[in-house]
Amino acid sequence: EDKVVQSPLSLVVHEGDTVTLNCSYEVTNFRSLLWYKQEKKAPTFLFMLTSSGIEKKSGRLSSILDKKELFSILNITATQTGDSAVYLCAGDSSNTGKLIFGQGTTLQVKP
Amino acid sequence: GAVVSQHPSRVICKSGTSVKIECRSLDFQATTMFWYRQFPKQSLMLMATSNEGSKATYEQGVEKDKFLINHASLTLSTLTVTSAHPEDSSFYICSARFLEETQYFGPGTRLLVL
Repeated sequence: EDKVVQSPLSLVVHEGDTVTLNCSYEVTNFRSLLWYKQEKKAPTFLFMLTSSGIEKKSGRLSSILDKKELFSILNITATQTGDSAVYLCAGDSSNTGKLIFGQGTTLQVKP
Repeated sequence: GAVVSQHPSRVICKSGTSVKIECRSLDFQATTMFWYRQFPKQSLMLMATSNEGSKATYEQGVEKDKFLINHASLTLSTLTVTSAHPEDSSFYICSARFLEETQYFGPGTRLLVL
């Protein structure tokens, strides 16, 4: 059965800290891995990763995929209180076209 | 990124009534739309997948007669919760995708059934 597991489930840091969020996956006919940020409303898209070893960056956020180890990480440097959210990763299967979501990591950044 | 809207953003209804939620892709054609449900502090659970012009495919355990999905055009899908009950209260989120590209999410609809 396809599954996506995120760790840690929750994290509390102070502004300025760097955090690393983890995502491991087992997805049949894996096509891509996606990261989303969810605040009070629906998830907003962060990254889509399809190739191993190529880092994607957007400001203070970056992510990378390891297709051999079936793993991805999301890094946030110099965290700010506005980074507080639930971060979701999801595996996309070309088999089904569906996204399989992890449980999410709840990040709280304290001033 | 692409824009997906949902309407209404919040709805309160009495038990036994039906509620329709609309999902629109505003600046792209959505060949596939997905409907999710999210309970507090939980991840998104896929309810159904709909391709334009064909019947929706429901996930195991989701009653298709209770959650009616229509995807009549490339920019609009609707989810109707029929004869809603308090246990149907949840956050309903749609997403839309063009062919094999990224899924973009709507802002969600909070449903409260009294």
